[in-house]
Amino acid sequence: DAGITQSPRHKVTETGTPVTLRCHQTENHRYMYWYRQDPGHGLRLIHYSYGVKDTDKGEVSDGYSVSRSKTEDFLLTLESATSSQTSVYFCAISGPRVSGNTIYFGEGSWLTVV
Amino acid sequence: AQSVTQLDSQVPVFEEAPVELRCNYSSSVSVYLFWYVQYPNQGLQLLLKYLSGSTLVKGINGFEAEFNKSQTSFHLRKPSVHISDTAEYFCAVTSRGSGSRLTFGEGTQLTVNP
Repeated sequence: DAGITQSPRHKVTETGTPVTLRCHQTENHRYMYWYRQDPGHGLRLIHYSYGVKDTDKGEVSDGYSVSRSKTEDFLLTLESATSSQTSVYFCAISGPRVSGNTIYFGEGSWLTVV
Repeated sequence: AQSVTQLDSQVPVFEEAPVELRCNYSSSVSVYLFWYVQYPNQGLQLLLKYLSGSTLVKGINGFEAEFNKSQTSFHLRKPSVHISDTAEYFCAVTSRGSGSRLTFGEGTQLTVNP
C-alpha cells in the first residue's frame, strides 16, 4: 500500500452545494495529484501540487479548486457542484526519483451530484 | 503535448489464451511509460513501467510489455490469461520535466471467459 487515504469514499450531494474531498498521504512525497475517471475518458488530471502551497491546473480544472497547506494533505473543492462533476475521483502521489517517477493511487472517492 | 491511444476498448479472450493489449503514444520528448490495472471498485495498481534500458519490461502477474520507439508503441502481453485477470487496463505516459503528470489512455476492458 502506498499510504494514501481518501475521504469520503462515497458521497451524494445536491447541485449547487460545496464539496471537499480530502487526500492524506503518509509517504512524505512532494507531488500530489487529483484525477477524475469517467467512462470513455480514462483518467484526466484536475489539479496537481508540487509542494506546500504550490499547485497548478491540469486539463479539466474548471469548477475545481485545491489547497495544500501541509505536505500530507491535498484537498479538492467543488465550489458549487454540478451533475457533470459526478465521477470517481482519485488522488495520487509521486514517488521519489529512485522509484522512477512512479505514481501511486488511492482507492477513489465516488461522488454523485443529484 | 503528449497523448495515449489504446486501440481496443474491449478485449474478450478465453482462459489460458494469450492476450495483447495495444497502446500507442505521442510525445515530442523522451517518455516514461506505464501500465496500470484496475479491478472493479478499486484504485489503480501499477503493473509495470518503462523508464530506460531494456525495451522488454516484465511486471507483476506474468505480464510484460515491449517499448518500441520507432512505432511509438508499448503493447502489453501475457502468454496465458486467467479468469482473475479480468479487469480494466490503462496505459499512461509521462516525460522528463513534466512533474510526473501522467496522461492516460481511455482504457481496455479485458474479459477472460472460461
